[in-house]
Parts: sequence; structure tokens; C-alpha cells
Amino acid sequence: AQSVTQLDSQVPVFEEAPVELRCNYSSSVSVYLFWYVQYPNQGLQLLLKYLSGSTLVKGINGFEAEFNKSQTSFHLRKPSVHISDTAEYFCAVSGAGGGNKLTFGTGTQLKVEL
Amino acid sequence: DGGITQSPKYLFRKEGQNVTLSCEQNLNHDAMYWYRQDPGQGLRLIYYSQIVNDFQKGDIAEGYSVSREKKESFPLTVTSAQKNPTAFYLCATQERGGTDTQYFGPGTRLTVL
Repeated sequence: AQSVTQLDSQVPVFEEAPVELRCNYSSSVSVYLFWYVQYPNQGLQLLLKYLSGSTLVKGINGFEAEFNKSQTSFHLRKPSVHISDTAEYFCAVSGAGGGNKLTFGTGTQLKVEL
Repeated sequence: DGGITQSPKYLFRKEGQNVTLSCEQNLNHDAMYWYRQDPGQGLRLIYYSQIVNDFQKGDIAEGYSVSREKKESFPLTVTSAQKNPTAFYLCATQERGGTDTQYFGPGTRLTVL
């Protein structure tokens, strides 16, 4: 079984500043890793995913994440945030190989301020 | 989004009533999921189905029921046995044997009056 920990429930940041949202996972097998974004009263939208290969993954809206196997982490970063990035962000993990359920973290609320 | 519809968007229920939430998809995905979302608790899995006419309980199935008679549809019934049903409900689909990527509908907000 896999588990995910999102260490920060809320992250306030000023517009145009960089941001990092932290995600750590636990698994006894190889994993797939995902970041999703949720705007208020909407469903989740896929930001990016790591399946294999390059550990630096680029996604939509200027976000990127780095898979670090030794630290079992998959932190999400953006060099310069915008007001429109205010949303909740969820990290998720599944056992690699396909056909597996996702396990989600509890989410990080990113609040971008002027 | 993108081929997954959930209806209604808002639903109000009186205590003791059963209600059914609709989830329809045209992505031709085999697997479908129902999640419940409460503030600060992330997504909790209620039921999932990996193929027509088969489904499994998730982590919080008590007080809920589902059916999967068609590939495109996976309705969720919230029964009167569910003691605290007020929440945001999300439906998702997933390609079977793919990369485990899930695609989400827009959600239904259920409020018990």
C-alpha cells in the first residue's frame, strides 16, 4: 500500500514570488506520482505526473516537480506565482504498472496575495 | 471535466431521504470512482468499479450504494444510513491498464437540510 503526506495545509505567498509545495510518499514498490489542482467548487485537474525517466517533470501553468527517490519526495514548484494560482493542490501516488488506485494527500491550500 | 458530467451541481436533501448522484462519461474509460471531499480531509474513496457489472467498496462505503450497468454510467446513491452526508462528491474515470491517471468531473455538492 502507498501513502502520501502533504506537510503544509496552507501556503501564503506574494504574487511573483517563487513557491514550493511539499509532498512525501511511502511505498514498498515503484510508484507513479501526480499533482492535481482544484479551484473552488470544481473538480480536480491534472497538473503533471511522473511515470518514469527524467526526474524533473514539467506541467501546465508553469509548474514543475522533481521526483527524488532517496528522499521519497515529489515537491511542486513554480518560480513566479500569479493571483490565478490560488487554489488547492493535491499530491497523489499509485503503484507503478497500471490499473491501480490513487492515494491522495490531504491537500495544500495555496493563497497568492498582492 | 472533458467528457465527464455530474448532475446535479447542487443537491439538497431532507434527513431520511435517499438521493442519487449521476456520473456519466464519454471517454471510454473502464474504471470509475466516487470520492467524498470534506474540508481539510482530502479525497476519500467511497466505491470504485473497474468493469461493467462489478464494483468494490472503498474506504468509506457505509451508507452508500452504487451500480455499474453501463460503461458510461456510475450512479451513487446516498442512503438514509449515511449519518453525515453533507459534502462535495467527485466522480473520476481511469483507463484500465494505463498510467493510473484519473480524470475528474465537476462535482456535486450535497447539503442535508
